Amino acid sequence: DVKVTQSSRYLVKRTGEKVFLECVQDMDHENMFWYRQDPGLGLRLIYFSYDVKMKEKGDIPEGYSVSREKKERFSLILESASTNQTSMYLCASSLSGLPNSPLHFGNGTRLTVT
Amino acid sequence: GDSVTQMEGPVTLSEEAFLTINCTYTATGYPSLFWYVQYPGEGLQLLLKATKADDKGSNKGFEATYRKETTSFHLEKGSVQVSDSAVYFCALSGKNFGNEKLTFGTGTRLTIIP
Repeated sequence: DVKVTQSSRYLVKRTGEKVFLECVQDMDHENMFWYRQDPGLGLRLIYFSYDVKMKEKGDIPEGYSVSREKKERFSLILESASTNQTSMYLCASSLSGLPNSPLHFGNGTRLTVT
Repeated sequence: GDSVTQMEGPVTLSEEAFLTINCTYTATGYPSLFWYVQYPGEGLQLLLKATKADDKGSNKGFEATYRKETTSFHLEKGSVQVSDSAVYFCALSGKNFGNEKLTFGTGTRLTIIP
């Protein structure tokens, strides 16, 4: 069965800390995505990657960076966490080259920045 | 740019009631349309999709028809169950990055009471 695993379910960090959110998929998918989910705003795309070492900015990349050193792993990095980055973060992956290939999501990491 | 507008929630219905969740979209060209569902404590999962005008997607008793003339993709179910309580997201796939980059609506929280 398809599996996208996010390393932490809940995370509490202090303002200014560097935060790493990890995501691993076991489906050999080329595409990986980071979204944040906020009430009333739905899901907004932060960054995505369509291959190892490749990355593209999404709609709200400010304050974030990503790393994709291996195909199965896509990390989201908050260089200096701020309170407005308190949110639910969702990782997803999909198969490339197959039209309308569905996104497979992890269960999310709820990050609180204090 | 592409956008998706969903009906505001939350929606509360009694078991066996008829459900409609409205979704309209703005996009260039001919996007594919999706409904994703998020059960409590979980990530999103694909519920159904339609890839061209007049297509009907269906799954688990839910249906949605791709209406190009009204740019809509409303979700319907004839008789809801308590287990359908979840957040429902309408989404479309843009053409900027294959078919994999999705734009989501804000989500509609559905609660079914016995």
